Amino acid sequence: GNSVTQMEGPVTLSEEAFLTINCTYTATGYPSLFWYVQYPGEGLQLLLKATKADDKGSNKGFEATYRKETTSFHLEKGSVQVSDSAVYFCALTSNAGNMLTFGGGTRLMVKP
Amino acid sequence: NAGVTQTPKFQVLKTGQSMTLQCAQDMNHNSMYWYRQDPGMGLRLIYYSASEGTTDKGEVPNGYNVSRLNKREFSLRLESAAPSQTSVYFCASSVARLNTEAFFGQGTRLTVV
Repeated sequence: GNSVTQMEGPVTLSEEAFLTINCTYTATGYPSLFWYVQYPGEGLQLLLKATKADDKGSNKGFEATYRKETTSFHLEKGSVQVSDSAVYFCALTSNAGNMLTFGGGTRLMVKP
Repeated sequence: NAGVTQTPKFQVLKTGQSMTLQCAQDMNHNSMYWYRQDPGMGLRLIYYSASEGTTDKGEVPNGYNVSRLNKREFSLRLESAAPSQTSVYFCASSVARLNTEAFFGQGTRLTVV
């Protein structure tokens, strides 16, 4: 079956530091890959997505590139802000269905 | 824009009690989902409904039932609550199958004592 593995947190960074959150996946077929973000007390919201190999998703300064050869979709941001503090989830949906499979989530804490 | 609305936001149940979590979306989406979120385990799919009139089991369906009442509404029922069902429950919806973004409600925090 499909699975997503992401680095455990929490990740604690100072403001303006570089962020990487690793994500690798196992899936049949040709999955679409997503990063969702959950701010405190809220539901998840889509941050970015990529639907085929070598695609780069980007939004709000965050980027992730779909690497089929390494089955990875690592999230990066060049300069984090306090407002980026949240839990980040890597996810995939395969073309076998419309179900999202999530990783365990990574909590990011950014200190001023 | 309401999006996906869940009720209630918080609930405390005694073991053995029953309750229904309500979910409604106003985006004319075909597919709806119920997930539970537990610490360190991400979100796990309980049930989903690919379209009005259909429901299917997800990863962790035991102890739950669902009803797709119409295109807008998808409810989750706990017939006899157990402490293991203490969790945060999220309803979500998406346009259709394949590569689609899911929109989530704000969650229901359920505690079973």
